[in-house]
Amino acid sequence: ETGVTQTPRHLVMGMTNKKSLKCEQHLGHNAMYWYKQSAKKPLELMFVYNFKEQTENNSVPSRFSPECPNSSHLFLHLHTLQPEDSALYLCASSQDFSYGYTFGSGTRLTVV
Amino acid sequence: GESVGLHLPTLSVQEGDNSIINCAYSNSASDYFIWYKQESGKGPQFIIDIRSNMDKRQGQRVTVLLNKTVKHLSLQIAATQPGDSAVYFCAETKNAGGTSYGKLTFGQGTILTVHP
Repeated sequence: ETGVTQTPRHLVMGMTNKKSLKCEQHLGHNAMYWYKQSAKKPLELMFVYNFKEQTENNSVPSRFSPECPNSSHLFLHLHTLQPEDSALYLCASSQDFSYGYTFGSGTRLTVV
Repeated sequence: GESVGLHLPTLSVQEGDNSIINCAYSNSASDYFIWYKQESGKGPQFIIDIRSNMDKRQGQRVTVLLNKTVKHLSLQIAATQPGDSAVYFCAETKNAGGTSYGKLTFGQGTILTVHP
């Protein structure tokens, strides 16, 4: 356990479903990130939050909606996804945008 | 655009051999580099880092080499073990002042397979 917990570990959803991914960190960090990891592609940064404020949206489609209610929790709300959105979604946290990113184990998402 | 890439997508070695994983980066302004290891079913884990004012840094069984002239980074693993089998990513960033850094840019990853 790295201190960053993601749930669920696996998720299968239809294209018309709405689901949410959850990330929780117990490290006292104040920055949190969502990354997408697809096969044979580099990790893609999706969103960055610092002190609960979104500081970066890396041109992510609106069918992905992040929420950061406090510095310990991060959600990724999903709706009307496409099959090409199937991937591993990783959450990470750090202190003051320091280099020390701690990653969770990810949620393996399959869109059918 | 800026990118960090790897020369070899897969590497197979025998247990006990030394492994070398390479990475090329294109952003000459990057001044901090990290190697991550990602085992199956887990998120990336920090292995070792190096700043641009160094050309070599050693850890436990791992060494990172940085060649700024050709913008090349490598990870050397000594006496590779089956537990080293994983995907290895390099990442780059730039110091934005104090302890603040820009976002990490990751390479594609190299799959290391260690045969007993």
